[in-house]
Amino acid sequence: SQKIEQNSEALNIQEGKTATLTCNYTNYSPAYLQWYRQDPGRGPVFLLLIRENEKEKRKERLKVTFDTTLKQSLFHITASQPADSATYLCALILGSNYQLIWGAGTKLIIKP
Amino acid sequence: DADVTQTPRNRITKTGKRIMLECSQTKGHDRMYWYRQDPGLGLRLIYYSFDVKDINKGEISDGYSVSRQAQAKFSLSLESAIPNQTALYFCATSDSRAGGPTDTQYFGPGTRLTVL
Repeated sequence: SQKIEQNSEALNIQEGKTATLTCNYTNYSPAYLQWYRQDPGRGPVFLLLIRENEKEKRKERLKVTFDTTLKQSLFHITASQPADSATYLCALILGSNYQLIWGAGTKLIIKP
Repeated sequence: DADVTQTPRNRITKTGKRIMLECSQTKGHDRMYWYRQDPGLGLRLIYYSFDVKDINKGEISDGYSVSRQAQAKFSLSLESAIPNQTALYFCATSDSRAGGPTDTQYFGPGTRLTVL
């Protein structure tokens, strides 16, 4: 069956360390993958897009990798800060109409 | 994002009632979407519209209907609400001119719907 998996348990990280979140998928062949941030009571906010032919993408303290062989994307936040605490969602982009398929998200908690 | 607004923000209703959730956007985007979010599940697409005359069913359209009244307005209706439609509902927009397959989506603040 097709599915997207993100760590369901909250990830607790000490401030200043690198946080790494995982998005695994099966039986999909996405051409693109996006990462979003969602704060409580708010809608998701777009962070980064990576294409299947890109191994890595960076934006400030954020880094995303995309391994189509492993069917996995990793999302890294370096020098993490308490303000980075949120739920992070991955989304695969499929098909000619570019429909997004979403993971359930991982809650990240950065402790001071 | 203040550019995408949803009303109401919270709604409690009873089984069998008809409910309409409204979404408006000032971003000038042509594409609009309705999702629901349940704890432990990813966002699931209910309906999407690529322009005023183009409306498509998503993954979980049963029990829902939509209306695209204008480019800026997209409403979601529950004709006869049932308890398992209790969820957080999000409207989103995207711009087909912004780069096709990237389809970055911009979300409203959500409507928390409870069906008793």
